Amino acid sequence: DIQMTQSPPSLSASVGDRVTITCRASQNINIYLNWYQQKPGKAPKLLIYLTSTLQSGVPSRFSGSGSGTDFTLTISSLQPDDFATYYCQLSYPTHTFGQGTKLEIK
Amino acid sequence: QVQLQESGPGLVKVSETLSLTCSVSGGSISGYYWGWIRQPPGKELEYIGYVHDTGNTNHFNPSFTSRVTISGDTSRNRFSLRLNSATAADTAVYYCARLDKRGFYDYWGQGTLVTVSS
Repeated sequence: DIQMTQSPPSLSASVGDRVTITCRASQNINIYLNWYQQKPGKAPKLLIYLTSTLQSGVPSRFSGSGSGTDFTLTISSLQPDDFATYYCQLSYPTHTFGQGTKLEIK
Repeated sequence: QVQLQESGPGLVKVSETLSLTCSVSGGSISGYYWGWIRQPPGKELEYIGYVHDTGNTNHFNPSFTSRVTISGDTSRNRFSLRLNSATAADTAVYYCARLDKRGFYDYWGQGTLVTVSS
């Protein structure tokens, strides 16, 4: 089974900060990696698919990069609405999620 | 705009079958893949499995293969989850979602909490 490991588990940052979240796969997954944002009591929201393609309607301050085993989600300038939990998700051959990264206000 | 809505019992007894339905509006389930994901309280998301409209194609998380069924009903535009032999560990918010063929979930239901208790 392919394992997905996110880091850090939690992160404190301020509005305007640049933030990077990492997701590591236990083996080469090419670019089969997606990112979601989840707020308390709400369903996850797709942000980025296939490593770096921004879902329609998602602000351009979100970006994704990587390939193989190491991937990153970057928020270029944090906005108040961005404080949430972020998950990576393997898209092939199965759909394993990472453990999540909780982004909190400093 | 595609919308999904989960429905089913909020309380299931240990050893019984957990059954949920996801009704889809704003679009047809035909031609698409549809999945179930769950989230135990305070924990991360866990992939359960997906089905292609009528159920001829499916895939399951190996952790659930022996006791899960996911089926589609194109006549009612909905799909369902059945998880046999429920235990307290199956207590979670269950989400249904549309799966794009490229492997991402682009439309989600609001989620429904199912508690498994004796």
